Amino acid sequence: SYELTQPPSVSVSPGQTARITCSGDALSKQHAYWYQQKSGQAPVLVIYKDIERPSGIPERFSGSSSGTTVTLTISGVQAEDEADYYCQSIDNSATYVFGTGTKVTVL
Amino acid sequence: QVQLVQSGAEVKKPGASVKVSCKASGYTFTGYYIHWVRQAPGQGLEWMGWINPNSGGKNYAQKFQGRVTMTRDTSISTAYMELSRLTFDDTAVYYCARLPQLGLPIDDWGQGTTVTVSS
Repeated sequence: SYELTQPPSVSVSPGQTARITCSGDALSKQHAYWYQQKSGQAPVLVIYKDIERPSGIPERFSGSSSGTTVTLTISGVQAEDEADYYCQSIDNSATYVFGTGTKVTVL
Repeated sequence: QVQLVQSGAEVKKPGASVKVSCKASGYTFTGYYIHWVRQAPGQGLEWMGWINPNSGGKNYAQKFQGRVTMTRDTSISTAYMELSRLTFDDTAVYYCARLPQLGLPIDDWGQGTTVTVSS
């Protein structure tokens, strides 16, 4: 199995940009997916295949990839973006793994 | 619309087993894998495995191999996850979900089932 490592927390003021990284060896070969989970709710997919945004997800959410690190960027952060964020990937044997999670606090 | 409806909360003693169900509707049940993901209180998401409802094929996370069994009943579009030899560390919310597959942005989750292991 492999691991995906995220920073435990990120703090950002409203209107500023939040960047959340996710690192893991497998990310150089496999796509990453990002989920937002608000308190007491099930997760919601906000980015798939590293950079794609599902329908209904605001344009302020974007993804990028470089080597073994992927990044979720939230531009113009709003209070409603306060949540936990998880990256996720899939290895060659169709085993899924979630990152360690990052708590985004809007100051 | 796609719905995944799970069974209700469970309280179990250490050493016991728990079986959680997940009834699917709004799509072709045999067309998409069903995943099981758990979340312990205050902790992150933990992938447990998936079952292919069409073939019955499974893929379990290494951590749960030997202790988890995933099954399905296609006649009633329902998937099941059974976890045995429960310990206090198995106290968590258990979700069934459809997750991204073949690069598609599939994202549907059940409401979660709380399993509490308590003596």
